[in-house]
Amino acid sequence: GDSVTQMEGPVTLSEEAFLTINCTYTATGYPSLFWYVQYPGEGLQLLLKATKADDKGSNKGFEATYRKETTSFHLEKGSVQVSDSAVYFCALANAGNMLTFGGGTRLMVKP
Amino acid sequence: DSGVTQTPKHLITATGQRVTLRCSPRSGDLSVYWYQQSLDQGLQFLIQYYNGEERAKGNILERFSAQQFPDLHSELNLSSLELGDSALYFCASSSGVGWRDTQYFGPGTRLTVL
Repeated sequence: GDSVTQMEGPVTLSEEAFLTINCTYTATGYPSLFWYVQYPGEGLQLLLKATKADDKGSNKGFEATYRKETTSFHLEKGSVQVSDSAVYFCALANAGNMLTFGGGTRLMVKP
Repeated sequence: DSGVTQTPKHLITATGQRVTLRCSPRSGDLSVYWYQQSLDQGLQFLIQYYNGEERAKGNILERFSAQQFPDLHSELNLSSLELGDSALYFCASSSGVGWRDTQYFGPGTRLTVL
């Protein structure tokens, strides 16, 4: 079946550092890929998405490119802020009408 | 604010009991999805409804059931509760039925079974 693997956290960075959170997937066909963010005590919010190979999703300074050849969708941000501290989930959607999530990566940004 | 509302925010109950979680989708959305988030299982899809009809089923236990009403709100019923059912339950909604549609999540209901 479909699966998503994320790097384990926590990831601890200083403010203004460069962020990469790795995400790889296993799926048949051509899934859509998503990054969701969960701030403490809140639900999941869609951060960005990509629906086909080589698409780049971007939002709030975050970017991720759908790489079919490496089955990856790594999340990047050039300069993180304390307010980016949260748990980030990579997910895919395929036939079957459901999202398959990775385990989540906790990001902690220190001032 | 995603526009998806869930009630109650917190629920504490005892083993063997039954509870009902409620979700109102975003205005205009016809699909409702239920997910369970627990420490050991992560985020797991439970079930999807579209315009009142069940469309997809995931890892939902037989003790759990859901429905979507004509006004499109949905309820998740959990019965014969066990300690392991303690988790965050999220509802999400989308405009269409397809799996490519973006899902918008509610704030969740935290269920604690004592």
